[in-house]
Amino acid sequence: SQTIHQWPATLVQPVGSPLSLECTVEGTSNPNLYWYRQAAGRGLQLLFYSVGIGQISSEVPQNLSASRPQDRQFILSSKKLLLSDSGFYLCAWEEQGNTEAFFGQGTRLTVV
Amino acid sequence: AQKVTQAQTEISVVEKEDVTLDCVYETRDTTYYLFWYKQPPSGELVFLIRRNSFDEQNEISGRYSWNFQKSTSSFNFTITASQVVDSAVYFCALSEVNTGGFKTIFGAGTRLFVKA
Repeated sequence: SQTIHQWPATLVQPVGSPLSLECTVEGTSNPNLYWYRQAAGRGLQLLFYSVGIGQISSEVPQNLSASRPQDRQFILSSKKLLLSDSGFYLCAWEEQGNTEAFFGQGTRLTVV
Repeated sequence: AQKVTQAQTEISVVEKEDVTLDCVYETRDTTYYLFWYKQPPSGELVFLIRRNSFDEQNEISGRYSWNFQKSTSSFNFTITASQVVDSAVYFCALSEVNTGGFKTIFGAGTRLFVKA
């Protein structure tokens, strides 16, 4: 069966520090991968999506970047965090062919 | 460009009431998919339903039902006889078929409070 792992679950980082959130998927090949952010009390904002290794599409200009070094690994990074980067970050995967997306448990990031 | 609008930010009902969550979408594609997800307080998103653009049949699953109308670009979600456990944020989402892959856009969500 397929599973998605996202870590860490919570993170408190100072302004200006780097960020690396990792997401891995097991039990499937060549999935579409997504990073979403949910600001407090708000909806989901698509940040990045990837349809293959090294293929990253960015939806909004921001202080973040994403990478897909392996087929089932998706990393969200920042060189210098801003206060506005605080939020709940969700990784998701779906099979090619647009079935439903399966979400990780999320990372609650607080930038202080 | 694709867009999903959930105009209701919060809805509060009393247990056993019926409640409808609205979703209006915009897309230029003729082939697309619509979804509803539930986000309970734990934070994980739980898939509820997927509907493709060629299937306008309404669907019922227990107390949940969905009304898809292409003429009004709406995909509304009704909970019958609501229960406290239905309290959550509900997201409507849209996926277009883009060259090389797909991307799913979510609405802002509707927070549903069901009071005992």
